[in-house]
Amino acid sequence: NAGVTQTPKFQVLKTGQSMTLQCAQDMNHNSMYWYRQDPGMGLRLIYYSASEGTTDKGEVPNGYNVSRLNKREFSLRLESAAPSQTSVYFCATWTGPNYGYTFGSGTRLTVV
Amino acid sequence: GQQLNQSPQSMFIQEGEDVSMNCTSSSIFNTWLWYKQDPGEGPVLLIALYKAGELTSNGRLTAQFGITRKDSFLNISASIPSDVGIYFCAGHMDSNYQLIWGAGTKLIIKP
Repeated sequence: NAGVTQTPKFQVLKTGQSMTLQCAQDMNHNSMYWYRQDPGMGLRLIYYSASEGTTDKGEVPNGYNVSRLNKREFSLRLESAAPSQTSVYFCATWTGPNYGYTFGSGTRLTVV
Repeated sequence: GQQLNQSPQSMFIQEGEDVSMNCTSSSIFNTWLWYKQDPGEGPVLLIALYKAGELTSNGRLTAQFGITRKDSFLNISASIPSDVGIYFCAGHMDSNYQLIWGAGTKLIIKP
């Protein structure tokens, strides 16, 4: 099925550990995004990539890095995880102004 | 960061009742979008609105793009158990590829 695939679906980290969240899309879209979702806070943009080879900070970039490996893949890295980064992370692609984003199913991350 | 004002934050309703939620903004948008998020999933687009004053339906869902272009509402008629979830509004300005999001309305249906 066409869409946005995120891995892993669940992850538990200890404080200070690092990890990379993977995202891949097969819709040939240029723009990709990483959001985090916390209860009562809605969706907050971490980083985005308007096209292959470019990345920009969003609203809450501190503690994260990203890589736009190619047109299909956009990864999010936590270098030294903190409990404040416990959240659900969503990757999305820009489908166009008439349809907005297509989202992956999310990665639920717990930092203990 | 900029965010839309979405209300109510949560709703407890009986099955069969109608539901109404809305979003307001201090900025003008060219597109309003309504998404639904089921538990454990990413948001999925329900309705997109492109013109001020536009009223659009999708089954039991009806949404309107406010005349001022600064607000939108979503109505759900005769709610059913599968309507539970979080509903998000989002606005788009043509100047970039980003959406501005509301904080969500959590819908809970009492059996």
